[in-house]
Amino acid sequence: GAVVSQHPSRVICKSGTSVKIECRSLDFQATTMFWYRQFPKQSLMLMATSNEGSKATYEQGVEKDKFLINHASLTLSTLTVTSAHPEDSSFYICSASPSGVRETQYFGPGTRLLVL
Amino acid sequence: EDQVTQSPEALRLQEGESSSLNCSYTVSGLRGLFWYRQDPGKGPEFLFTLYSAGEEKEKERLKATLTKKESFLHITAPKPEDSATYLCAVFTSYSGAGSYQLTFGKGTKLSVIP
Repeated sequence: GAVVSQHPSRVICKSGTSVKIECRSLDFQATTMFWYRQFPKQSLMLMATSNEGSKATYEQGVEKDKFLINHASLTLSTLTVTSAHPEDSSFYICSASPSGVRETQYFGPGTRLLVL
Repeated sequence: EDQVTQSPEALRLQEGESSSLNCSYTVSGLRGLFWYRQDPGKGPEFLFTLYSAGEEKEKERLKATLTKKESFLHITAPKPEDSATYLCAVFTSYSGAGSYQLTFGKGTKLSVIP
């Protein structure tokens, strides 16, 4: 139980293009989903928190117009990196918290983004 | 500002050689602490949640303990498949519509040599 998937697992794109990453909770409903990024040998840094049906809450320093988050259902959240640049290259990981169990977060396998 | 420090950064053990990983934290109002395992190129895998000092949890060869200042992840008789990066994270407060924030440490990279 408590499986979270991400798609795609890896993506390479040209600078200036937009990339959408999907995060799905496969066997539970998730009121809250989180998006993190992780640089090599660094800790996970929270980018934003999204609650189903409402606007995402972004952490300080994260541009909401660049990293668009949509949490349209209890099992799906998407992160769109708009006008991607090489400095956006990173490992993006989502997590989901089962409805009614707020504290525990289950993580997806991550998406490796490389912007050329 | 909440801080989470894990030590050591890297640990090499012989198969069967027990040891402990440390996670010390400086936070205001700890509500809970998580341990995760992360394999290279993968997302973190949930291991334990600890809520109060004195609490202990076990899973196979792993045992997590919590004090008011730190948490330990004890690994007993490790095997090569236990090799991974172990992350700890603390959560301190709820905000807005029931959401909350985790602060992660940088992790301890564990290598178990056959």
